[in-house]
Amino acid sequence: GAVVSQHPSWVICKSGTSVKIECRSLDFQATTMFWYRQFPKQSLMLMATSNEGSKATYEQGVEKDKFLINHASLTLSTLTVTSAHPEDSSFYICSATAAGPNTEAFFGQGTRLTVV
Amino acid sequence: QQQVKQSPQSLIVQKGGISIINCAYENTAFDYFPWYQQFPGKGPALLIAIRPDVSEKKEGRFTISFNKSAKQFSLHIMDSQPGDSATYFCAASGAAGNKLTFGGGTRVLVKP
Repeated sequence: GAVVSQHPSWVICKSGTSVKIECRSLDFQATTMFWYRQFPKQSLMLMATSNEGSKATYEQGVEKDKFLINHASLTLSTLTVTSAHPEDSSFYICSATAAGPNTEAFFGQGTRLTVV
Repeated sequence: QQQVKQSPQSLIVQKGGISIINCAYENTAFDYFPWYQQFPGKGPALLIAIRPDVSEKKEGRFTISFNKSAKQFSLHIMDSQPGDSATYFCAASGAAGNKLTFGGGTRVLVKP
């Protein structure tokens, strides 16, 4: 299947700082990327949907000013957690889909964020 | 509102046995039902997916059964192996490529 790469795989940051997570589609053009958040032993919760060149659509309850999403190219989307706090510590996962009907989503390997 | 309910939460099966995981959905607009396998610290990987126009799909040791009238679908893992020990998620969306709604997950442990 297609490859989606996330960077970094893990990051530790101090409370109050911002951290950026990258999601790249390596071998296809991703017109749509999704960002999920997963707490330990829980399911994936969709945070937002981003389409290349458009503003992201956030799910209810997700603060768009805190979780900044940029999808400036067909192969790269970024999630920036601003003014991070310990409660933002989680596993963040992106997925990407190509253009066209019935194209499946491919997931990145995830980023473990720890805010201390 | 949990739109996709998954059971059981955890499952222990002996090597060579059959693992069965069930999911039920509420939204009749869902048209694509994938299953994902996730290992600790990794992103989910697509195992197998089905659309409502078929009642069963098999790929290797993995089989999806789909009951449209009951709004239920299940994953059967035949001849379970220790390497199958992982968390399995069912999901649903309006179409492949659309945003996914995930079930709560099932942690499967296959004992040698």
